[in-house]
Amino acid sequence: GAGVSQTPSNKVTEKGKYVELRCDPISGHTALYWYRQSLGQGPEFLIYFQGTGAADDSGLPNDRFFAVRPEGSVSTLKIQRTERGDSAVYLCASSPGGWTEAFFGQGTRLTVV
Amino acid sequence: AQSVAQPEDQVNVAEGNPLTVKCTYSVSGNPYLFWYVQYPNRGLQFLLKYITGDNLVKGSYGFEAEFNKSQTSFHLKKPSALVSDSALYFCAVRDSNTGNQFYFGTGTSLTVIP
Repeated sequence: GAGVSQTPSNKVTEKGKYVELRCDPISGHTALYWYRQSLGQGPEFLIYFQGTGAADDSGLPNDRFFAVRPEGSVSTLKIQRTERGDSAVYLCASSPGGWTEAFFGQGTRLTVV
Repeated sequence: AQSVAQPEDQVNVAEGNPLTVKCTYSVSGNPYLFWYVQYPNRGLQFLLKYITGDNLVKGSYGFEAEFNKSQTSFHLKKPSALVSDSALYFCAVRDSNTGNQFYFGTGTSLTVIP
């Protein structure tokens, strides 16, 4: 079956602009995660959804970052007033819930110039 | 606080030799442990997990890992390395007390030398 799909795969934007990153999880997976990975680092937690609600958004770095999952499936990560320090690979993952593993998408490489 | 340590940034091993990639963790509750592999310009690919039961778990591509509660370790192993195993390996933990998120280590780059 299809895995986690993230679009776009690459995004270049100018400092100060607004961007949206999309994640299509595996069908039926109730849990969805967003992570950010900088070069040479491990993935850093941003936000976790269980169904439609953000169950844990403690990893969002500031109020420029926001994520939604209105119908409990597709999720969008939104970044306002982008800064060069936001440049990273943004990873989305989904899982069926419980203590099981999460399945990751290929990521969106965001470059802020 | 929850954390994962991968003490080696880089591991080199000759093809055909056994390999070990080290991981230690810190959690307040019960640990749920995972290994992922990342190839260049690719997402994280799940290898194996320890949730409960036998301390030795087997996963994809001949990899295995041993959960050691007293040493708070979960080292990844493979009896005979292949050149195609060269990649970046991440250890991750979930904490039964906090649940939701996966805490990742900084990764270990494995190079298998032909």
